[in-house]
Parts: sequence; structure tokens; C-alpha cells
Amino acid sequence: EDQVTQSPEALRLQEGESSSLNCSYTVSGLRGLFWYRQDPGKGPEFLFTLYSAGEEKEKERLKATLTKKESFLHITAPKPEDSATYLCAVQAVPNTGNQFYFGTGTSLTVIP
Amino acid sequence: EAQVTQNPRYLITVTGKKLTVTCSQNMNHEYMSWYRQDPGLGLRQIYYSMNVEVTDKGDVPEGYKVSRKEKRNFPLILESPSPNQTSLYFCASTLKGPPFSYEQYFGPGTRLTVT
Repeated sequence: EDQVTQSPEALRLQEGESSSLNCSYTVSGLRGLFWYRQDPGKGPEFLFTLYSAGEEKEKERLKATLTKKESFLHITAPKPEDSATYLCAVQAVPNTGNQFYFGTGTSLTVIP
Repeated sequence: EAQVTQNPRYLITVTGKKLTVTCSQNMNHEYMSWYRQDPGLGLRQIYYSMNVEVTDKGDVPEGYKVSRKEKRNFPLILESPSPNQTSLYFCASTLKGPPFSYEQYFGPGTRLTVT
């Protein structure tokens, strides 16, 4: 069974204190791994897609990396506006192209 | 502005009273999905659609129906809602690009309470 597990469930950081969020997955074959940001009361917002082990993508203070079993979202020198829930999702093969499995998310709070 | 819209945003109803949540996208995407989000369970896919008249079940389809008669619209139908369908619902539209790019754009959500 395809599974996505995120850790930690919640993370509190001081402003400027770098850290990493983890997404581990168990799928028969990975088509793509996706990171989203979700603010309270809003729909998730797309951040990154990763396709193969060793791939990395960056956007401002965020950097996503991928291995064969997990992905990390590294947050460098976070600011209070980075506070949100970060969701990880995977697409597995075989897949018709529109099936996604989400983790339960990591709630990040950055304290000024 | 590219967006996914959902209506209503909030709905309180009673058990057994049929309801429809509408979803519309203006990005000409072929793929659309419905999710429900529950505490501790995350986002779970209810139904998805690959194109007009092409739909398939996700992980939790029981008690729901969908239709895709037009490319831009993908309504979610609860024919006989029950309290266990109380949840936050999201519609998503998927940009399908090469080689396997599947960025999803989510609507603002519909909070449904069934009493």
C-alpha cells in the first residue's frame, strides 16, 4: 500500500533558526513527489515537484531534496511569514496521472 | 486571474438532504480532483477526472458522486449526507505539463457540517 509519512507533526523555530522537515514514502514506484504550503483557512499552494533521487529545488528560503525513500524540505533562516503547514504528496506508478497521496503535514511556527 | 473557485464556502445541512458543491477553474486544465481534509488524516482524494466525461474513484469515494460535463466545472454531489461527511473539502485543478509535471491548484475550500 502506498504511504506518505511526515515528521515532525509540529515544529517551533526561532526566527533565523534553520531546520528540516521530513517526508518518507513507500510506493511501488515514484512518479513524482510534491511539496505544498497551506495557510490556515486556505487551500494548499504548490511549492515544488521532484522526480528522481538526487534532485534538488530551491525557492527563497526553502530547498527540497529527494532520496529513494524520503524527501526533505530545508528551511534556512526562517521568518515568521514562513509559518504554515507544509504538505508532502506523491504520485506512484502505475498511475493514470491524477492520483495523489498526501501526508498529514508538518505545522511550522516561526517565532519572532 | 487564474483560479479555482468553490461554492458555497460554508454549509450547514441536515442528514439526508442532498447537496452540491460547485467547482470551477479558468485555466483550461484537463485534470480536476476533489479532496476532503480531516484532522489527523490529511488530504484524501475522493474523485478525480482526467477529462470531460472521464472520472474515477480516489481513496474515499463512498457517499459521493461527481460529474464532468464541461471542462471547467467539476461539481461534488452528496445525495444523502451523513455526519461522517462533515469535513473541509477542496477542489483542485491539475496543470499537466512535460514530462510528468502535475502541479495542482487548489480552491479556497468548503467547510461542510452535517447535523
